[in-house]
Amino acid sequence: EVQLLESGGGLVLPGGSLRLSCVVSGFTFRSYAMSWVRQAPGKGLEWVSTIGGGGVTFYADSVKGRFTISRDISKNTLYLQMNSLRAEDTAVYYCAKGGGTNYRYFEYWGQGTLVTVSS
Amino acid sequence: QSALTQPASVSGSPGQSITISCTGTSSDVGVYNYVSWYQQHPGKAPKVMIYDVTNRPSGVSNRFSGSKSGNTASLTISGLQAEDEADYYCSSYTSSSTYVFGTGTKVTVL
Repeated sequence: EVQLLESGGGLVLPGGSLRLSCVVSGFTFRSYAMSWVRQAPGKGLEWVSTIGGGGVTFYADSVKGRFTISRDISKNTLYLQMNSLRAEDTAVYYCAKGGGTNYRYFEYWGQGTLVTVSS
Repeated sequence: QSALTQPASVSGSPGQSITISCTGTSSDVGVYNYVSWYQQHPGKAPKVMIYDVTNRPSGVSNRFSGSKSGNTASLTISGLQAEDEADYYCSSYTSSSTYVFGTGTKVTVL
């Protein structure tokens, strides 16, 4: 059974940093693209970042230069390092496993972790 | 990257069929067959209902179907049921190797 479990969310001051983690199980972690998707309170879904099976990374313009996606294959863990946080980064952050042969959709999702950026 | 355009709300009576549209551009929906649809109930994580425009994951009801024409994709729910009441989002892979989601549609079962 595929499982994704996020952690690391919390309250942080504007300009601060936070690192999110997503521990996965039930599939061969190194073989799949993994992504972070966020949802601001009462708003829609927004793609944040993806790391491909080969380790190539992609970012939304809204977070480029501030967020870094990475993974530790030995720990089956996906990370999102978030720096220079802004109020508009407040959201539930979901990690998601890429699906299909080209990983062009989000097949499994975690339960999410809430990040609140506020003074 | 601008969000894909979806109607804010769609409603129907039990047993009816409804269709949700998702309009993008020639850089996303129009260029790839990588459109997916997600169902989200309040307080829950999204769940994929359709991927690669028309494919249904194992376990998803065959009442859900997808299609695409040009820059617009569509999700049809037939035989509407009370449990289908939720928010629905489309998503597309883009020519910039990124992803874009739709604005979201609230489905109400009357």
